[in-house]
Amino acid sequence: QVTLREFGPALVKPTETLTLTCTFSGFALTTSGLCVSWIRQPPGKALEWLALIDWDDDKFYATSLKTRLIISKDISKNQVVLTMTNMDPMDTATYYCARMDQFAPSYYGLDVWGQGTTVTVSS
Amino acid sequence: QSVLTQPPSASGTPGQRVTISCSGSSSNIGINFVYWYQQLPGAAPRLLISKDNLRPSGVPDRFSGSKSGTSASLAISGLRSEDETDYYCAAWDDSLRGYVFGTGTKVTVL
Repeated sequence: QVTLREFGPALVKPTETLTLTCTFSGFALTTSGLCVSWIRQPPGKALEWLALIDWDDDKFYATSLKTRLIISKDISKNQVVLTMTNMDPMDTATYYCARMDQFAPSYYGLDVWGQGTTVTVSS
Repeated sequence: QSVLTQPPSASGTPGQRVTISCSGSSSNIGINFVYWYQQLPGAAPRLLISKDNLRPSGVPDRFSGSKSGTSASLAISGLRSEDETDYYCAAWDDSLRGYVFGTGTKVTVL
């Protein structure tokens, strides 16, 4: 059974750096075709894709946030970490991680999602 | 900020067919597959349609996807009260080298 779960602070101050951890089970991020993405959703607003890391350690970022994001993985811990610098109240959102299996019928579909973690940016 | 455009809302009565459009460009929908997600209130999104028109296991066949050129559509036939929620399209964008979501559509069952 594939599961993902997000961990991180519920509250951060403006200008601080946010570190989010996605801990997963049921798959290995060393397997060809597997990727993990981060997506966020501000309250009452649309989904926004943030970043993706694949089995080969290739990394992709949303153009508008590229200078503030770093995605990495720890294979030994089955974790993907996203850091976002210089946090602003506009970054208040629910942050999700999700899996992509490019060799499955779902291809580039995000087929399994975590429950999400809510981050509020406020002083 | 969304690259893919959807109507903010769509509605229908129980049993009707509702269609949601998703408009993109030659760098995303025009050359890559479209994916549709359903998001129930307070829950994480769920993959509803992959590769333009494939339903993952467990998705009712009332949901169907199609694509033509740089636009795609999600159709819900035999509308049911539990279909009242938010729907998002998505695709990989070769120019942006990233995944893009649609603006989202709220479906209301009248």
